[in-house]
Amino acid sequence: GESVGLHLPTLSVQEGDNSIINCAYSNSASDYFIWYKQESGKGPQFIIDIRSNMDKRQGQRVTVLLNKTVKHLSLQIAATQPGDSAVYFCAETWTGFQKLVFGTGTRLLVSP
Amino acid sequence: DAGVTQSPTHLIKTRGQQVTLRCSPKSGHDTVSWYQQALGQGPQFIFQYYEEEERQRGNFPDRFSGHQFPNYSSELNVNALLLGDSALYLCASSPPGGVNTEAFFGQGTRLTVV
Repeated sequence: GESVGLHLPTLSVQEGDNSIINCAYSNSASDYFIWYKQESGKGPQFIIDIRSNMDKRQGQRVTVLLNKTVKHLSLQIAATQPGDSAVYFCAETWTGFQKLVFGTGTRLLVSP
Repeated sequence: DAGVTQSPTHLIKTRGQQVTLRCSPKSGHDTVSWYQQALGQGPQFIFQYYEEEERQRGNFPDRFSGHQFPNYSSELNVNALLLGDSALYLCASSPPGGVNTEAFFGQGTRLTVV
């Protein structure tokens, strides 16, 4: 069945470094991909999304890259800050489908 | 705007009991989805409500049921609770005609079954 997974369960970086969080997906029919940030005790917070007709999309300090050939998604966070420490999830969905399919998450730890 | 609000924030139930969780969507949103998030896992889709009807359902048993009211708020009911039902239950709302990428999540209800 379809699945969304992550390569690294935990990523530790120093403040000011750039962070890259990776995600692999298996459903070639997916046409929307989303990154969420979840802090302890809170619900997932939308970070950025990308449609399958795009390769790259930039937000404030974040960039999402999509490689449909290898079914790979990444989130780049520039100048990582301690406040970026959280669990990051990628999720996929597709037109006409009502649910989001989440991966298991990557924990980002940022040291001052 | 209060965003998506869920109640209660925490509760403890005994195996075999029934529980009702509540969700008020973000202002202007008419669609509500429920997710179960086990510790250390990503959220799993339970079902979605739109126009007071269940529109789609994930792989959850009939013990999980829901309801949507005319004001778009929603309830999640779980009967005959099992220890494995212990999880964070998340509600997400989305606007009319919106796609799932526009879903806003509440802070969740932490359910512990003992």
